[in-house]
Amino acid sequence: GNSVTQMEGPVTLSEEAFLTINCTYTATGYPSLFWYVQYPGEGLQLLLKATKADDKGSNKGFEATYRKETTSFHLEKGSVQVSDSAVYFCALSDQAGNNRKLIWGLGTSLAVNP
Amino acid sequence: SAVISQKPSRDICQRGTSLTIQCQVDSQVTMMFWYRQQPGQSLTLIATANQGSEATYESGFVIDKFPISRPNLTFSTLTVSNMSPEDSSIYLCSVAPRHTEAFFGQGTRLTVV
Repeated sequence: GNSVTQMEGPVTLSEEAFLTINCTYTATGYPSLFWYVQYPGEGLQLLLKATKADDKGSNKGFEATYRKETTSFHLEKGSVQVSDSAVYFCALSDQAGNNRKLIWGLGTSLAVNP
Repeated sequence: SAVISQKPSRDICQRGTSLTIQCQVDSQVTMMFWYRQQPGQSLTLIATANQGSEATYESGFVIDKFPISRPNLTFSTLTVSNMSPEDSSIYLCSVAPRHTEAFFGQGTRLTVV
Protein backbone atom coordinates (compact mmCIF):
# COMPACT_ATOMS: atom_id res chain seq x y z
CA GLY A 1 0.00 0.00 0.00
CA ASN A 2 0.87 3.66 -0.06
CA SER A 3 3.36 4.88 2.51
CA VAL A 4 5.42 7.88 3.51
CA THR A 5 8.91 7.79 4.97
CA GLN A 6 10.06 10.94 6.65
CA MET A 7 13.40 12.00 8.06
CA GLU A 8 13.61 11.41 11.77
CA GLY A 9 14.13 14.23 14.16
CA PRO A 10 14.58 16.14 16.22
CA VAL A 11 16.37 18.66 14.05
CA THR A 12 18.06 21.57 15.79
CA LEU A 13 19.32 24.54 13.77
CA SER A 14 20.54 28.02 14.38
CA GLU A 15 18.56 30.94 13.04
CA GLU A 16 19.24 31.66 9.34
CA ALA A 17 20.50 28.13 8.70
CA PHE A 18 19.36 26.11 5.67
CA LEU A 19 16.71 23.48 6.33
CA THR A 20 16.00 20.22 4.52
CA ILE A 21 13.55 17.64 5.79
CA ASN A 22 13.50 14.55 3.60
CA CYS A 23 10.30 12.81 2.58
CA THR A 24 9.97 9.85 0.24
CA TYR A 25 6.86 7.95 -0.67
CA THR A 26 5.57 4.80 -2.27
CA ALA A 27 2.29 5.00 -4.10
CA THR A 28 0.30 3.58 -6.93
CA GLY A 29 -1.23 6.09 -9.26
CA TYR A 30 -0.66 9.80 -8.90
CA PRO A 31 -1.23 11.01 -5.36
CA SER A 32 -1.11 14.59 -4.18
CA LEU A 33 1.64 15.40 -1.69
CA PHE A 34 1.46 17.70 1.30
CA TRP A 35 3.50 19.21 4.07
CA TYR A 36 1.60 20.03 7.25
CA VAL A 37 2.95 21.95 10.22
CA GLN A 38 1.98 21.78 13.87
CA TYR A 39 3.17 24.72 15.94
CA PRO A 40 3.41 24.27 19.71
CA GLY A 41 -0.04 24.14 21.26
CA GLU A 42 -1.83 24.48 17.93
CA GLY A 43 -3.63 22.23 15.48
CA LEU A 44 -2.25 20.90 12.22
CA GLN A 45 -2.31 23.26 9.28
CA LEU A 46 -1.40 22.89 5.65
CA LEU A 47 1.98 24.40 4.81
CA LEU A 48 2.17 23.57 1.10
CA LYS A 49 1.09 21.01 -1.43
CA ALA A 50 1.76 19.67 -4.93
CA THR A 51 -0.74 17.76 -7.00
CA LYS A 52 1.35 16.43 -9.90
CA ALA A 53 4.89 15.59 -10.89
CA ASP A 54 7.33 18.51 -11.09
CA ASP A 55 4.92 20.83 -9.26
CA LYS A 56 6.58 23.01 -6.66
CA GLY A 57 4.62 23.97 -3.59
CA SER A 58 5.73 27.03 -1.67
CA ASN A 59 4.60 29.04 1.33
CA LYS A 60 6.24 31.18 4.03
CA GLY A 61 9.65 30.67 2.43
CA PHE A 62 9.31 26.88 2.42
CA GLU A 63 9.43 24.91 -0.81
CA ALA A 64 9.00 21.31 -1.89
CA THR A 65 9.06 19.79 -5.38
CA TYR A 66 7.09 16.70 -6.36
CA ARG A 67 9.76 14.41 -7.85
CA LYS A 68 8.23 11.34 -9.41
CA GLU A 69 11.56 9.92 -10.60
CA THR A 70 12.93 9.83 -7.05
CA THR A 71 9.50 9.52 -5.34
CA SER A 72 10.43 12.42 -3.08
CA PHE A 73 8.93 15.62 -1.71
CA HIS A 74 11.69 17.15 0.39
CA LEU A 75 10.91 20.30 2.37
CA GLU A 76 13.45 23.13 2.18
CA LYS A 77 13.88 26.63 3.51
CA GLY A 78 16.86 28.82 2.84
CA SER A 79 16.92 30.68 6.15
CA VAL A 80 14.95 29.43 9.13
CA GLN A 81 13.61 31.58 11.94
CA VAL A 82 12.88 30.84 15.56
CA SER A 83 9.18 31.02 14.70
CA ASP A 84 9.60 28.02 12.37
CA SER A 85 10.07 25.76 15.39
CA ALA A 86 7.33 23.16 15.00
CA VAL A 87 6.64 19.59 13.98
CA TYR A 88 6.44 19.01 10.22
CA PHE A 89 4.47 16.16 8.67
CA CYS A 90 4.72 14.88 5.12
CA ALA A 91 1.55 13.29 3.77
CA LEU A 92 0.10 11.88 0.59
CA SER A 93 -3.49 11.55 -0.45
CA ASP A 94 -4.93 8.19 -1.21
CA GLN A 95 -7.57 8.97 -3.81
CA ALA A 96 -8.71 5.57 -5.00
CA GLY A 97 -12.35 6.10 -5.88
CA ASN A 98 -14.05 8.10 -3.18
CA ASN A 99 -11.35 7.28 -0.69
CA ARG A 100 -9.62 10.51 0.28
CA LYS A 101 -7.51 9.32 3.16
CA LEU A 102 -4.24 10.92 3.96
CA ILE A 103 -1.21 8.76 4.64
CA TRP A 104 1.14 10.41 7.14
CA GLY A 105 4.82 10.40 7.85
CA LEU A 106 5.97 10.20 11.47
CA GLY A 107 6.68 13.91 11.75
CA THR A 108 9.96 15.77 12.19
CA SER A 109 10.42 18.09 15.11
CA LEU A 110 12.37 21.25 14.30
CA ALA A 111 13.86 23.53 16.92
CA VAL A 112 15.46 26.79 15.78
CA ASN A 113 17.71 28.54 18.24
CA PRO A 114 18.38 32.29 18.15
CA SER B 1 -11.33 26.81 3.98
CA ALA B 2 -13.06 25.28 6.97
CA VAL B 3 -12.94 26.25 10.62
CA ILE B 4 -13.27 23.41 13.09
CA SER B 5 -14.08 23.77 16.77
CA GLN B 6 -13.20 20.78 18.85
CA LYS B 7 -13.87 20.29 22.53
CA PRO B 8 -12.76 19.60 25.11
CA SER B 9 -9.24 20.76 24.33
CA ARG B 10 -7.88 18.52 27.05
CA ASP B 11 -9.07 16.21 29.79
CA ILE B 12 -7.74 13.90 32.44
CA CYS B 13 -9.94 10.86 32.94
CA GLN B 14 -10.08 7.84 35.19
CA ARG B 15 -9.57 4.43 33.64
CA GLY B 16 -12.79 2.60 32.90
CA THR B 17 -14.72 5.79 32.13
CA SER B 18 -15.71 7.23 28.74
CA LEU B 19 -15.12 10.60 27.13
CA THR B 20 -17.07 12.16 24.26
CA ILE B 21 -15.25 14.59 22.00
CA GLN B 22 -17.24 17.05 19.92
CA CYS B 23 -16.35 18.49 16.54
CA GLN B 24 -18.22 21.40 14.95
CA VAL B 25 -17.46 22.66 11.43
CA ASP B 26 -18.45 26.06 10.09
CA SER B 27 -19.67 24.61 6.77
CA GLN B 28 -21.44 21.50 5.57
CA VAL B 29 -19.14 18.63 4.70
CA THR B 30 -19.84 15.12 3.51
CA MET B 31 -17.14 13.32 5.42
CA MET B 32 -15.47 13.98 8.75
CA PHE B 33 -12.38 12.12 9.84
CA TRP B 34 -11.20 11.18 13.32
CA TYR B 35 -7.50 10.68 13.97
CA ARG B 36 -5.37 9.64 16.91
CA GLN B 37 -1.89 11.01 17.49
CA GLN B 38 -0.11 9.04 20.19
CA PRO B 39 2.88 10.58 21.98
CA GLY B 40 5.82 10.77 19.60
CA GLN B 41 3.85 9.08 16.85
CA SER B 42 2.27 10.11 13.59
CA LEU B 43 -1.43 10.45 12.90
CA THR B 44 -3.50 7.32 12.62
CA LEU B 45 -6.96 7.41 11.09
CA ILE B 46 -9.56 5.92 13.40
CA ALA B 47 -12.66 6.23 11.26
CA THR B 48 -14.50 8.21 8.63
CA ALA B 49 -17.92 9.56 9.58
CA ASN B 50 -20.58 10.12 6.93
CA GLN B 51 -23.84 11.81 7.73
CA GLY B 52 -26.74 9.39 7.78
CA SER B 53 -24.73 6.18 7.74
CA GLU B 54 -22.48 4.11 9.96
CA ALA B 55 -18.92 5.26 10.34
CA THR B 56 -16.21 3.35 8.50
CA TYR B 57 -13.50 2.12 10.86
CA GLU B 58 -9.87 1.46 10.02
CA SER B 59 -8.13 -1.75 10.83
CA GLY B 60 -7.50 -2.01 14.55
CA PHE B 61 -10.39 0.25 15.59
CA VAL B 62 -13.88 -0.96 16.49
CA ILE B 63 -17.21 0.71 17.03
CA ASP B 64 -17.63 -0.60 20.57
CA LYS B 65 -14.46 1.17 21.65
CA PHE B 66 -14.83 4.31 19.54
CA PRO B 67 -18.51 4.94 18.81
CA ILE B 68 -19.09 7.86 16.47
CA SER B 69 -22.17 9.97 15.84
CA ARG B 70 -22.81 12.14 12.80
CA PRO B 71 -26.25 13.69 13.24
CA ASN B 72 -25.86 16.38 10.57
CA LEU B 73 -23.42 17.79 8.02
CA THR B 74 -21.61 20.11 10.43
CA PHE B 75 -21.20 18.04 13.60
CA SER B 76 -19.73 14.78 14.84
CA THR B 77 -18.75 13.17 18.11
CA LEU B 78 -16.20 10.51 18.96
CA THR B 79 -16.46 8.61 22.22
CA VAL B 80 -13.49 6.85 23.74
CA SER B 81 -15.05 4.08 25.82
CA ASN B 82 -13.82 2.13 28.81
CA MET B 83 -10.56 4.03 28.77
CA SER B 84 -7.16 2.69 29.73
CA PRO B 85 -3.82 4.52 29.98
CA GLU B 86 -3.01 3.26 26.46
CA ASP B 87 -5.77 5.54 25.16
CA SER B 88 -3.82 8.61 26.26
CA SER B 89 -3.38 10.51 23.01
CA ILE B 90 -4.33 13.57 21.06
CA TYR B 91 -7.56 13.02 19.16
CA LEU B 92 -8.11 15.12 16.06
CA CYS B 93 -11.15 15.89 13.95
CA SER B 94 -10.57 16.68 10.29
CA VAL B 95 -12.49 17.58 7.15
CA ALA B 96 -11.49 17.84 3.49
CA PRO B 97 -14.26 19.82 1.79
CA ARG B 98 -12.43 20.37 -1.47
CA HIS B 99 -10.98 16.87 -1.57
CA THR B 100 -7.43 18.11 -1.83
CA GLU B 101 -6.67 19.76 1.49
CA ALA B 102 -7.46 18.65 5.02
CA PHE B 103 -8.41 21.01 7.83
CA PHE B 104 -8.00 20.09 11.46
CA GLY B 105 -9.42 21.01 14.79
CA GLN B 106 -7.09 21.97 17.62
CA GLY B 107 -7.24 18.47 18.99
CA THR B 108 -8.22 16.97 22.31
CA ARG B 109 -5.34 15.98 24.56
CA LEU B 110 -6.54 13.02 26.62
CA THR B 111 -4.70 11.64 29.61
CA VAL B 112 -6.04 8.49 31.25
CA VAL B 113 -4.89 7.82 34.80
